[in-house]
Formats: sequence, structure tokens, C-alpha cells
Amino acid sequence: QSVLTQPPSASGTPGQRVTISCSGSSSNIGGNSVNWYQQLPGTAPKLLIYNNSQRPSGVPDRFSGSKSGSSASLAISGLQSEDEANYYCATWDDSLNGWVFGGGTTLTVL
Amino acid sequence: QVQLQESGPRLVKPSETLSLTCTVSGGSINNYYWNWIRQPPGKGLEWIGYISASGTTNINPSLKSRVTISDDTSKNQFSLRLTSVTAADTAVYYCARDYGFDIGGSEQYAMDVWGQGTTVTVSS
Repeated sequence: QSVLTQPPSASGTPGQRVTISCSGSSSNIGGNSVNWYQQLPGTAPKLLIYNNSQRPSGVPDRFSGSKSGSSASLAISGLQSEDEANYYCATWDDSLNGWVFGGGTTLTVL
Repeated sequence: QVQLQESGPRLVKPSETLSLTCTVSGGSINNYYWNWIRQPPGKGLEWIGYISASGTTNINPSLKSRVTISDDTSKNQFSLRLTSVTAADTAVYYCARDYGFDIGGSEQYAMDVWGQGTTVTVSS
């Protein structure tokens, strides 16, 4: 049981916009910034979004993040087949005094 | 460009100790925080702990009694020891850098560089 709650799966067709939610509490998302990671099959996770909504260099602007209260969202617009991956949210938890991850969302491009 | 590479035994017997090393190239471990994360087969990511540039460690409370993280600055490496392993410790183990992005004068951390991961199986 992960501290952060994500839907196990999401899907969309090419060109569509999809969103993935991440729900937490006041001890984690409510008081700290959220990062998102993309894990393509058989590879290590890659930083996709940091500080709720900022993209590292090289990440397409099709990916965007937002946070409101104790929840966060990742949006992917103009969905492409290469976006098929697992997506994880993560943040610092003040009660645990450590990093916590969501359970991950498997995105399928139909 | 900073790169991380995990190394260590791929097979560990139950009740024994798992030992892994992460070698950092293209940058110094005398900056930032350096993490260990694991991923059991078909499951999500679990943060194990980190060591800071000053050598301070912070371990996931669920693993604290069994985990030691240390560093060797002369080799630009940091290491993980996990004692009394069971089959539940079978996972891909990743090392990753915690980088502090400057956001308006404050640092917001994220794991921006990851090793490729190494699969460790606990089995007799």
C-alpha cells in the first residue's frame, strides 16, 4: 500500500490528452513539491516533472504538472505511442522523513 | 554529464547480506544527496535511503534496522548494505542523485540522474 495514491492504469488514443492523478495528505503533497517520473519498459525511471510543474531540459512541453492542496496531476497532451510507460509521482513525507512514491500508473496508448 | 553505475552480486542467499556499490562518474559525491531505491518484480518504487555530501544518512523507517549506507569519497562511490535478506528483498536496485533545483532562492529536490539498475535475487 503506497503512501501516495495513483490510478493503476490510464489510456488514450494518439493525439488525445490524458491526466494521471496522485493523491496524498498534508504531511506529504500538502506541504511539499511533487515530482513525476516516467519509466519506459525495462529501463530506469527518468525525471519528467519537478517542483510540481517544471520540466527538466529535454522533456517535451506536451508534459505538464500541477498541484492543488494534497493532490497533484500529470497531463500529457498530443499523446504518442512512445508515451506508453509507467508514471510515478513522488514527494517528501514529513512524518516518515523520507521520499515516498505513488504506486505507479501504467499508460496505454490505444 | 553525471553517470551512475550499480555493481554487486546478483544472487544472495536468504539470511545473508546484500551489498551494492554505486560508482559516480562525471561529478563528485561531495555535492547533493545520493539515494538507493528498489523495485520488486512487477511492482512500484520504494525509497531505501540516502547519504548526504557530508556523510549523513537517512533511511526508510521500514528498513532502518537492516540498512547501512556509506560512502568512499576517494573512489567517488557510495554503498548499500542490507542484512538478513529474504525473498521479499528480491528487486531491481537503483542508485540516484538528489539534485537541488534552485527555485527562487530555495532548493527543491528531485532525483535527476539514475543508474541503469541491477537485479538482485534472494534465493538459496
